[in-house]
Amino acid sequence: KNEVEQSPQNLTAQEGEFITINCSYSVGISALHWLQQHPGGGIVSLFMLSSGKKKHGRLIATINIQEKHSSLHITASHPRDSAVYICAVREAGGSQGNLIFGKGTKLSVKP
Amino acid sequence: EPEVTQTPSHQVTQMGQEVILRCVPISNHLYFYWYRQILGQKVEFLVSFYNNEISEKSEIFDDQFSVERPDGSNFTLKIRSTKLEDSAMYFCASSETGFNEKLFFGSGTQLSVL
Repeated sequence: KNEVEQSPQNLTAQEGEFITINCSYSVGISALHWLQQHPGGGIVSLFMLSSGKKKHGRLIATINIQEKHSSLHITASHPRDSAVYICAVREAGGSQGNLIFGKGTKLSVKP
Repeated sequence: EPEVTQTPSHQVTQMGQEVILRCVPISNHLYFYWYRQILGQKVEFLVSFYNNEISEKSEIFDDQFSVERPDGSNFTLKIRSTKLEDSAMYFCASSETGFNEKLFFGSGTQLSVL
């Protein structure tokens, strides 16, 4: 079974800083999701990746299939980016919703 | 933007009671999912549902749990004879197709079993 590891577990940044959150997994996957969980608990899907790189606004997600590693970058961070960021993978051959989740990275951006 | 809606946002029940958690997926979505997150722990997959039947379920989803799409809009998770360890945040999600795409999550139902 896949092990999904995220680093760091906690991250504090100053507003404007460039942020990187890492995710590694142990077994081949067909897709990787980056999710944002707000302080109130709700989850928002940021990206779904199966290869390469995706960008949306100040967020960039990359994946290296050979190295079994993905990164989420936030440029020009802002206090409203404060949330828990979760990496989740769909194993090769698994159904779309059957995801294995990481523990999350708690990001706090200070003004 | 279309949303997945979950009700209630909070549910308190006594141990041994049955609860039904409700979800209204996005209207043109065909695939539906339930997840749970015990306080302080990872999110866990429970079940996926398509074409009025379960397409995949996890080890957690035992006979205590059932899902149903009783009409064209609702998707429910029933937990029979609740236990203390069922206390968790339960998330519903939906997607348009079963292929690699983003999932749309509801805001969750916090279930507390006393």
